[in-house]
Amino acid sequence: NAGVTQTPKFQVLKTGQSMTLQCAQDMNHNSMYWYRQDPGMGLRLIYYSASEGTTDKGEVPNGYNVSRLNKREFSLRLESAAPSQTSVYFCASSGRPSTGSRTDTQYFGPGTRLTVL
Amino acid sequence: GENVEQHPSTLSVQEGDSAVIKCTYSDSASNYFPWYKQELGKRPQLIIDIRSNVGEKKDQRIAVTLNKTAKHFSLHITETQPEDSAVYFCAASIVGGSEKLVFGKGTKLTVNP
Repeated sequence: NAGVTQTPKFQVLKTGQSMTLQCAQDMNHNSMYWYRQDPGMGLRLIYYSASEGTTDKGEVPNGYNVSRLNKREFSLRLESAAPSQTSVYFCASSGRPSTGSRTDTQYFGPGTRLTVL
Repeated sequence: GENVEQHPSTLSVQEGDSAVIKCTYSDSASNYFPWYKQELGKRPQLIIDIRSNVGEKKDQRIAVTLNKTAKHFSLHITETQPEDSAVYFCAASIVGGSEKLVFGKGTKLTVNP
């Protein structure tokens, strides 16, 4: 199992450009999450999806949109990037026990380092 | 909503010493408390977790204690090694049907050889 994968690993955007961050998991998890990590701020939830077809806002949703394409994939879109969105973005998933995984445990992807100039 | 406070923000110890990181939470209904370790440039990885029906849990050199009355939980690392150097995050579950977590701001642990 690859676990949680994210693309791209790095991205540089100019202010106003748009892009989509991709996330996929192969653990048959129901729930998926997008976080951003800034120095000294910990991990802050942007959006989450409790199941296919449902999404909900987290702590810092402004400037972002998400799409739960299917059970495996959860994408994060920046429609008009701003310098304040420079951050490291992590996708995570959690779900009912499957092949030994535990309910509530969140497994993280490798992250995307985004710089907006 | 749930709020998680984590202290200290930085911690420096000598190799072989113990390290303790403390977190407090605000929602008495929270029932799941994981700890994550994040090495520089890497993803957060679960190192230990505890549920509200347990007061203490150990895994080799790592232990977590939970005081539900005081609404705080702590991570204890004994016999620290340089490879324990990392940022550690605590988290608490948000009650209400979802599987969301609220994270503390992190503790940067440095173990000096």
